[in-house]
Parts: sequence; structure tokens; C-alpha cells
Amino acid sequence: SAVISQKPSRDICQRGTSLTIQCQVDSQVTMMFWYRQQPGQSLTLIATANQGSEATYESGFVIDKFPISRPNLTFSTLTVSNMSPEDSSIYLCSVEGVETSGSIETQYFGPGTRLLVL
Amino acid sequence: QKEVEQNSGPLSVPEGAIASLNCTYSDRVSQSFFWYRQYSGKSPELIMSIYSNGDKEDGRFTAQLNKASQYVSLLIRDSQPSDSATYLCAVISNDYKLSFGAGTTVTVRA
Repeated sequence: SAVISQKPSRDICQRGTSLTIQCQVDSQVTMMFWYRQQPGQSLTLIATANQGSEATYESGFVIDKFPISRPNLTFSTLTVSNMSPEDSSIYLCSVEGVETSGSIETQYFGPGTRLLVL
Repeated sequence: QKEVEQNSGPLSVPEGAIASLNCTYSDRVSQSFFWYRQYSGKSPELIMSIYSNGDKEDGRFTAQLNKASQYVSLLIRDSQPSDSATYLCAVISNDYKLSFGAGTTVTVRA
């Protein structure tokens, strides 16, 4: 599976500010995904980011709040804009990949960015 | 109705016992199913995948799929303290999006 890194690994931010999270993968991938995992909750998909096209957002998530860039096949950024304490979460990027013991498409996750908004 | 539902747990088992985790899904056209393990403070790690009815074994893990009943399960045999984690059931759609269950937290008592 691909090696995925995220920066920053964690941050503490003041409300009203914005934070940009970077996701880097060591191989070219068509599809990258951004998830949010609120404390004690499961993962919720924010958007799908394909290189060369606008990100596709899931219900409840909008571009003004979570702008995404995908400048090439190994990199993406997610910005959390005008933050409030409710944005305190783990933000995870993932990439498509083929499951190693078969031919099933699945996703592999980066280490996550832990965000606390005060 | 949630797309993917898991028995919420938490599940506590003694070391050496079998941990049984269950998951149901609502979309009949779903084809591939996954179990991810997430240790506290870490990101999800893929441990099992299954797409055919029946059982699939990998070491101490066995995934079971019954598409007629829209049911997926994960058995962890000879449970070890290192298996203590949250286990997430996931279903992939035709556009490669994953839908996750709420997760089941497993604690293996030494």
C-alpha cells in the first residue's frame, strides 16, 4: 500500500482562523479523499478530490468551509476555514488502492491531523 | 436508516477467547466489504476485505459475508491484548466511497 503523510500532525487554533492540512502520497493516485472523525465518532467523508477537477463534497460540507486543492497526483490540501470549537476533530486523508490479497479497490489512510479549536 | 450498522459494544473478552463483531448494510448492490482496526489515537488500518459469500480467513481473523442477509462479521480467534482497539466495518460504493459503521470497541482482558 502507498505511504501517506499528513502535515501538521496536530494543531491548536483559535476560533475564526483557518488551517490548511497537507496530504502527500508516495505514488500517483487518481482519487484522494478527506474524512473527519469527531471525538468518539466514526469517520465521515467530507469530499473526494480528483486531480484536474473540482472536489466533490458530501451532504453537509461546503467548499467555502472546506476548500480543497489537488494540484497533482500525489498531493492534496484541505483547509478548515473560519474555525469554531465544533471543528475540533481528527482530519484524515485517504487514497485509493488495491487490497493486497486480492483485486478489490479500497482505501488506505494517512496518519491524521488532530485539530483542537479554542 | 444508516447505511452501515455495527453492534455498538463495547465488547470485553478474556485473552484467548473469540471476539465476534457484527455489521449489517442497507445497500443491496454493495459488492466489497472491509474491516479496519483503529487503535486509540491512530488512523484506521485495513485488516480484512471480503467480497464473496462465505468465510475468508487470515491468521487469527475470519471475515464472514452473507449477501442475502446483508450481513458481514469478523471473528478474532485467540484474542490478544494487542487486539484491543475499535473495529470499523466499511462498505465501498461504485464510486469508491467508503461508508463506515459507528465502530465496535474491543477490550481483551489479560
